[in-house]
Parts: sequence; C-alpha cells; structure tokens
Amino acid sequence: NAGVTQTPKFQVLKTGQSMTLQCAQDMNHEYMSWYRQDPGMGLRLIHYSVGAGITDQGEVPNGYNVSRSTTEDFPLRLLSAAPSQTSVYFCASSYLREEEKLFFGSGTQLSVL
Amino acid sequence: DAKTTQPTSMDCAEGRAANLPCNHSTISGNEYVYWYRQIHSQGPQYIIHGLKNNETNEMASLIITEDRKSSTLILPHATLRDTAVYYCISEGETGANNLFFGTGTRLTVIP
Repeated sequence: NAGVTQTPKFQVLKTGQSMTLQCAQDMNHEYMSWYRQDPGMGLRLIHYSVGAGITDQGEVPNGYNVSRSTTEDFPLRLLSAAPSQTSVYFCASSYLREEEKLFFGSGTQLSVL
Repeated sequence: DAKTTQPTSMDCAEGRAANLPCNHSTISGNEYVYWYRQIHSQGPQYIIHGLKNNETNEMASLIITEDRKSSTLILPHATLRDTAVYYCISEGETGANNLFFGTGTRLTVIP
C-alpha cells in the first residue's frame, strides 16, 4: 500500500516554463487536494476535488490548473511558471465523510528561477 | 471558518508530557478540531481529532473545553522524534475535507 505518491521530489524551472506535478493515491479516496507551503508559513489550499470529473478552487488557485479524470490521479499544472510559485507542494487525499483524516504525500520542492 | 490561535513555539523535556494549547473561540457547534504535525520537511501527519468529548489514541490525547473555545493536545511522554510543528485546525467553510492550516506551534523536545 503506497499511500499518496508525489513526483517529482525536486524540480527547477525557468520563468515561463510549464510543468505538471503528479499525485496518485491507491486508497480509493474520493477527496484529493493540493497545498503549497512557503518558508515559515502554514499550508495553503490551491485546488481540491471531491471525485472524478469534479474540481474546485481553494485559497490560492491563480496560476494553477487541475483535472481529475480518474479517482487515483490528481495532477497539478503550472502553465507558465513564475518565481512566486517557488514553494513546496503537498498533495493530500481522504475519504469523503463528515470527519476524515487527510493522508499527505512527501512533497515536491519546486524552484522557479 | 473558525480560526485557531497557537503559541509560536514551545520546549519540552524528553520523557515529560507535552501540552500544546489551541484557542478556537469562533468554532461552531458542528466543526471538528483536528491536530496534525509536520516533522522537518515531510508531509503533515494526522494525529487526532474531536468534536466535544475528550479523545485518546496511540499517539496523543485531546482535551476539549466544555465551551469548545479551546483545546489541548497532550503527548504523554515526549521523545526527540516528537520535535515537529503541530497544527491545530478547524474545518474550512468550503466543506468537503478542506482544512485551513495556520503556522502552528514548533515543539522542540530537549534531551
């Protein structure tokens, strides 16, 4: 049981480049989400999904796109990377119930030069 | 969504109980309180959650005041591996499983 798997672990981009951060879970969780964490700060919600075909914006969605074509995968796309997107990105998943704990991936450290 | 307030940092001697406080005075009656921790650069790890009653699991105990305006996470016998940032979180207004993390309490366990 792998849990929540994020790839890559590290990535360096130039301003304007695009890339996709991958997130996969093998627990059949309905809910998946993306957070970013900047130095000295807590996690901020970017986008989330409550099931295949359903996505919605979180607190800081600008500059990011998501899609949920399968239950297992929830990729995060940066269409034109900016230095302000330098951060650590965490993917999380859980069952969609009244009270449920989130399982987090190990994170992707992204630097945009 | 209810906001939480936590001390920025705390120290605890190894082997002693660590008591981490959290204020959530605006929490509504059906909002749970969750505790997570983040060790160094790892992804956050769920610890415990509660609504009204005190809760205990293999990791910690959660004491919620009767008026639900505050809670305390208790690590009964802190070890060096418990050094981490601890987040007290209430549910977000957007529902689903969205949780809003603050800056948490940095707990340092001292040998």
